[in-house]
Amino acid sequence: SQQGEEDPQALSIQEGENATMNCSYKTSINNLQWYRQNSGRGLVHLILIRSNEREKHSGRLRVTLDTSKKSSSLLITASRAADTASYFCATEPYNTDKLIFGTGTRLQVFP
Amino acid sequence: DGGITQSPKYLFRKEGQNVTLSCEQNLNHDAMYWYRQDPGQGLRLIYYSQIVNDFQKGDIAEGYSVSREKKESFPLTVTSAQKNPTAFYLCASSIRGGYSPLHFGNGTRLTVT
Repeated sequence: SQQGEEDPQALSIQEGENATMNCSYKTSINNLQWYRQNSGRGLVHLILIRSNEREKHSGRLRVTLDTSKKSSSLLITASRAADTASYFCATEPYNTDKLIFGTGTRLQVFP
Repeated sequence: DGGITQSPKYLFRKEGQNVTLSCEQNLNHDAMYWYRQDPGQGLRLIYYSQIVNDFQKGDIAEGYSVSREKKESFPLTVTSAQKNPTAFYLCASSIRGGYSPLHFGNGTRLTVT
């Protein structure tokens, strides 16, 4: 079962622009995480936000979490061509010890 | 360097054969996971293990089997009962206890013809 759904499915922008990806999920969670995947590679963890947090920053990344709406967003500021990848949200449902991934957003950043 | 090693990177098998995918980690993590990824799709959980000699089924365990005899190793066997085995398989590990990010290997691409 897919817990999270990312929106949009694909996003194309120019270098220097900001990229925003959204994630919606279905059940109560312990935490929500964002991952990045370059083509044909494993996923790399970007940021984790706990259910009692509303916003978190890491470098050019900003993540928000709205538990009342069961949604999260990932903002990448001043994007670079090297940010081209797929981005996945993953949720740890409440009272479980497993991580469930969404369907991902494919980001293309043109130089 | 600590990390997760999956081997081989590419694997080809004939239909009806069982095949075992290797996953080894030297991060001293208790928990290990197997995910399957189909083209353009997200990851689906096959099996996971929180501790040696114990593992649980994920969302799509049918046709797969695992073992966890050592902390460092979590091999996945794709059996002939798995109807659509061709996929990209990802192994991951984490510190046990939640609120822990997953560390992923670089995957094994299995093609069954």
